[in-house]
Amino acid sequence: EDQVTQSPEALRLQEGESSSLNCSYTVSGLRGLFWYRQDPGKGPEFLFTLYSAGEEKEKERLKATLTKKESFLHITAPKPEDSATYLCAVQEWEGANSKLTFGKGITLSVRP
Amino acid sequence: DGGITQSPKYLFRKEGQNVTLSCEQNLNHDAMYWYRQDPGQGLRLIYYSQIVNDFQKGDIAEGYSVSREKKESFPLTVTSAQKNPTAFYLCASSTWGGQPQHFGDGTRLSIL
Repeated sequence: EDQVTQSPEALRLQEGESSSLNCSYTVSGLRGLFWYRQDPGKGPEFLFTLYSAGEEKEKERLKATLTKKESFLHITAPKPEDSATYLCAVQEWEGANSKLTFGKGITLSVRP
Repeated sequence: DGGITQSPKYLFRKEGQNVTLSCEQNLNHDAMYWYRQDPGQGLRLIYYSQIVNDFQKGDIAEGYSVSREKKESFPLTVTSAQKNPTAFYLCASSTWGGQPQHFGDGTRLSIL
């Protein structure tokens, strides 16, 4: 069963049309939730880390929020250069080892 | 500039052949990771290493092998036992037990 679910799978916006991307998780004892941006043919680029419910982080047109069951990535007045795949991941501990579990990603297209 | 270098960018494998993907980091990170990314799938963990000369299997380790002889290097060998090796392979690193993970720009492996 999926531990990290992202929705929608794809989102097409007009430039300037604000929206939100969702990441829901079912892991117990969340240690951290991470958002990444991935451009085609490139590795993921780190955006935000959220650790506790109620926490918010902002960077330019992006704002990430966290509740006990989900996280949202809000995009305000997007531009075409915001087009990318956005990945969500949760941190889990296995004994003394830490690892990330990723969702499948949301492909965002912003039309000029 | 500090970062993670993966090479080659593109790699082709013949049937029955082992191939090795290179990953080098100069971030002085203790932990390193290998992921596989398929279209429509999230990143899946192959192997990870929290310290030199030690590594653990991830979720899809069958058909792969790794070594960690130096802190800055974590090569991945895709063996002939891996029957569906065509994918985008990503290497990442982080501080021990820490996040976020920083990623290289990947190696795309295809079958001839």
